Amino acid sequence: EPEVTQTPSHQVTQMGQEVILRCVPISNHLYFYWYRQILGQKVEFLVSFYNNEISEKSEIFDDQFSVERPDGSNFTLKIRSTKLEDSAMYFCASSDPGRNSGNTIYFGEGSWLTVV
Amino acid sequence: AQSVTQPDIHITVSEGASLELRCNYSYGATPYLFWYVQSPGQGLQLLLKYFSGDTLVQGIKGFEAEFKRSQSSFNLRKPSVHWSDAAEYFCAVGPPGNRGYQKVTFGTGTKLQVIP
Repeated sequence: EPEVTQTPSHQVTQMGQEVILRCVPISNHLYFYWYRQILGQKVEFLVSFYNNEISEKSEIFDDQFSVERPDGSNFTLKIRSTKLEDSAMYFCASSDPGRNSGNTIYFGEGSWLTVV
Repeated sequence: AQSVTQPDIHITVSEGASLELRCNYSYGATPYLFWYVQSPGQGLQLLLKYFSGDTLVQGIKGFEAEFKRSQSSFNLRKPSVHWSDAAEYFCAVGPPGNRGYQKVTFGTGTKLQVIP
């Protein structure tokens, strides 16, 4: 079964440093997302991306965050200057209206970011 | 605004016993409904989904869920729990339609502990 893959699985970074989290969505999907889960809290929507632009973002997704699809396969989340409160599991996801996937959103394994 | 309530934060069941995890939602129309499972340190795996039609849906790993419109509920059930089912379970809702865009909203999750 096709899957969303994410790298790295775990990253430790110092406060103030830039971090890029990478994702390879399912190949024929058109919609891409980032979610995050702070330890012990629920999974929260950050941003969605379609047709090479952000289609929706939450209030969490401030100017410190950006997303990009640099080529035909990768989808990245950049945090420009990390803060302690950015420590979380970040999930990439993708979805597609195709007949087989049927409006289902598929998540990756997550990238655990620890800011120290 | 849409919301998902999982009233049970933590549930403990004996191996072999039946399980029911509760989920209630608030949404303007009948949403698409999902259950995801997250094992410790792992990503979000889709267990099952409801879009329309038969209100009892079957998923993977022997799980099923029943959509009850009158109660705005989508409870997850399993007749006989296995020790490997210990994980956190998330109910989620998403916008109905065939556009393929699925910005889902998650509940706070229910942690399942299975005892011998």
